[in-house]
Amino acid sequence: DTEVTQTPKHLVMGMTNKKSLKCEQHMGHRAMYWYKQKAKKPPELMFVYSYEKLSINESVPSRFSPECPNSSLLNLHLHALQPEDSALYLCASSQASGYGYTFGSGTRLTVV
Amino acid sequence: EDKVVQSPLSLVVHEGDTVTLNCSYEVTNFRSLLWYKQEKKAPTFLFMLTSSGIEKKSGRLSSILDKKELFSILNITATQTGDSAIYLCAVERDTSGTYKYIFGTGTRLKVLA
Repeated sequence: DTEVTQTPKHLVMGMTNKKSLKCEQHMGHRAMYWYKQKAKKPPELMFVYSYEKLSINESVPSRFSPECPNSSLLNLHLHALQPEDSALYLCASSQASGYGYTFGSGTRLTVV
Repeated sequence: EDKVVQSPLSLVVHEGDTVTLNCSYEVTNFRSLLWYKQEKKAPTFLFMLTSSGIEKKSGRLSSILDKKELFSILNITATQTGDSAIYLCAVERDTSGTYKYIFGTGTRLKVLA
């Protein structure tokens, strides 16, 4: 299995909703990442997990809450989002430094 | 502040043309530079470069890194309409033992039939 699987592929949520994005990989990668990508912009790093521990938080608002329950799973919990949070959310994993990322296909989130 | 700059921002060519995409960077604790192709969804990996002057090739695509002048180029020869995409350059840096990638703005390539 050489894929990173993200679910759901599309999500529409209201500003008072609570939802979660899920990311799964079975390649034994020990680093996992959440990126946010707005239209026509490059991906922006949000969080890095290394060996299931949060190692980088790029000053992301607390309405985004990451969780890494085990080495294969990465979640992003969403609560009280704003319309400007609408974007493509990409999960990625890497074996180690310098091996490059494998990206998931992303979740396209719309906040209404 | 870390910076990765790609040029041109966009490019329109005809099938069969050769294109050169540029990526310059100013990043502390540089570890590697990667090129990705992004069509509709997730970026797909093209090349990883760590050493200066060693060309990586894959079919019609090739890339090289200059660590002295802090840039990389991605060449595509005999372009095809399927090469139309955004090409992203990402630089990996060491942040206190954790590695992260900083992406450039991308070059949007359109290849006309």
